[in-house]
Amino acid sequence: NAGVTQTPKFQVLKTGQSMTLQCAQDMNHEYMSWYRQDPGMGLRLIHYSVGAGITDQGEVPNGYNVSRSTTEDFPLRLLSAAPSQTSVYFCASSLQTGGKNTEAFFGQGTRLTVV
Amino acid sequence: KQEVTQIPAALSVPEGENLVLNCSFTDSAIYNLQWFRQDPGKGLTSLLLIQSSQREQTSGRLNASLDKSSGRSTLYIAASQPGDSATYLCAPVNTNAGKSTFGDGTTLTVKP
Repeated sequence: NAGVTQTPKFQVLKTGQSMTLQCAQDMNHEYMSWYRQDPGMGLRLIHYSVGAGITDQGEVPNGYNVSRSTTEDFPLRLLSAAPSQTSVYFCASSLQTGGKNTEAFFGQGTRLTVV
Repeated sequence: KQEVTQIPAALSVPEGENLVLNCSFTDSAIYNLQWFRQDPGKGLTSLLLIQSSQREQTSGRLNASLDKSSGRSTLYIAASQPGDSATYLCAPVNTNAGKSTFGDGTTLTVKP
């Protein structure tokens, strides 16, 4: 059981480049989300999805796009990377039954540096 | 908007001590609250999940309590060990689309 898998683990981008952070889970969880973690600011929600084909914005969505074509995958796209997007990105998943979330599982994170 | 505060921000104790980490949140309309552990450079590991209808949850040397009406949760660690050194995060899950809000964490150092 792999849980939540994020790739890549490390990435360096130049300002203006685009890239996709991958997230996959094998637990058949409906709910998936992306967070960024910055020193002194905790984890902040970027985007989330309550099921395939359904996504919504979190607290800090600007500069990021998501899609959810399958239950397993929830990629995060950086459209035009900026130094302010240097951060550690975490993907999480959980079951959602009747609007209630069960235990959340996190990936190991992607460390992104934009120069 | 849910706001989560964790006190203390950092804690250093000798091995063997019992300790309490505190978490307070402003919006009591939560489904559940989860405690996580994060080691440096690593992801988050789930420790305990307390449902809104529960008062406490135990796993080994860890005990978490929840007082939803007052917006408080505590994580009790018994007989601390150097391997417990990590940052501990609490995250209440609100009824609004099941979103979690994280505190900044308590960084624990247990000295041998």
